[in-house]
Amino acid sequence: GAVVSQHPSWVICKSGTSVKIECRSLDFQATTMFWYRQFPKQSLMLMATSNEGSKATYEQGVEKDKFLINHASLTLSTLTVTSAHPEDSSFYICSARGGLAVSYEQYFGPGTRLTVT
Amino acid sequence: GDSVTQMEGPVTLSEEAFLTINCTYTATGYPSLFWYVQYPGEGLQLLLKATKADDKGSNKGFEATYRKETTSFHLEKGSVQVSDSAVYFCALISWGKLIFGQGTELSVKP
Repeated sequence: GAVVSQHPSWVICKSGTSVKIECRSLDFQATTMFWYRQFPKQSLMLMATSNEGSKATYEQGVEKDKFLINHASLTLSTLTVTSAHPEDSSFYICSARGGLAVSYEQYFGPGTRLTVT
Repeated sequence: GDSVTQMEGPVTLSEEAFLTINCTYTATGYPSLFWYVQYPGEGLQLLLKATKADDKGSNKGFEATYRKETTSFHLEKGSVQVSDSAVYFCALISWGKLIFGQGTELSVKP
């Protein structure tokens, strides 16, 4: 099946700094990418949806100025957590979908563990 | 809004035991329902799906039946293996977006 990678798999940063997470589709063109956030023992919460070459659509309650999403190519999307604080510590998961796929046919990355100290 | 509730884990079973992971949902209308599995260190993978009431999704020995009357989509397997150890997520589609339950960790011991 299709493969999606994320980098880094885990990152520790200091409060106030920014951190960038990459999501890549390795063997298909991802016209749409999704970013999710997962707290321990809780469900994945959709943060935003991005289409290649367009601005991301953020879910209600997600700060677009804090969580910057760029989807500049058909194989790469990035999530930048700006001025990170300890409450941003979480597990961030991306998924990708090809142009002709139906809505649930998303391929998920393995996730990135962010810890803000 | 629409939501999914799963039984809490972790669930620990011996090899060849019967597995049930409960999942119930709240939704307007009749959404498609899914089970995803996440093996250690990997991304979520679609395990099975059902698109309408009374549909049974099945894959790799796992089954789940879409029960409209009880708004449930319980995951079952007759004989689990150590390799089934993973986190299982129940989900539905709502307005084109996946809504997940909190996940249930399954650990199968030899």
